[in-house]
Amino acid sequence: RKEVEQDPGPFNVPEGATVAFNCTYSNSASQSFFWYRQDCRKEPKLLMSVYSSGNEDGRFTAQLNRASQYISLLIRDSKLSDSATYLCVSPQGGKLIFGQGTELSVKP
Amino acid sequence: GAGVSQSPRYKVAKRGQDVALRCDPISGHVSLFWYQQALGQGPEFLTYFQNEAQLDKSGLPSDRFFAERPEGSVSTLKIQRTQQEDSAVYLCASTPDRAGTGELFFGEGSRLTVL
Repeated sequence: RKEVEQDPGPFNVPEGATVAFNCTYSNSASQSFFWYRQDCRKEPKLLMSVYSSGNEDGRFTAQLNRASQYISLLIRDSKLSDSATYLCVSPQGGKLIFGQGTELSVKP
Repeated sequence: GAGVSQSPRYKVAKRGQDVALRCDPISGHVSLFWYQQALGQGPEFLTYFQNEAQLDKSGLPSDRFFAERPEGSVSTLKIQRTQQEDSAVYLCASTPDRAGTGELFFGEGSRLTVL
């Protein structure tokens, strides 16, 4: 089993839709997690940190379920500009382990 | 500049050639990471440094890969006798933290194509 697993998608949704991504992790000792966003042919950039139960920032909500070892990212009222790949990230042994990424395409 | 700088941005190498990729992290950042990202995949960890010490090189795929950061600032990733499977984007990231527990600041990457 990979350390961090994501559904690669693509998720194709209309503008205004609500979309959710899940990510499972294997290291039960991890205390915090991250969602990074990566635009096509660009570098990854931090979107949100996830500590304890979750975090909310505007249209974005990240939640952590330690019992089931998964993290979710919810995007409400999707915008065209949300189209990107979303990477789930778990710290492990001093380094950050990235998932495969979930591709989101928001259509007009 | 204010961000992480990588060079070259693009490199085409013939199979068997050696390549060197440079990373100039944000000034004062303690930790520096190298990742390899193949098309359609997430970044895969290669190695990381805390100042000049290479603390983890468990992700280097073979002994053809070598990384250094001799003065605790600029880092070089060297790939000897390149193979086609080495074709990928090599991302460098730095952080002011002593480990990858917070935000990583990435460079734009070096895209390597091995023919």
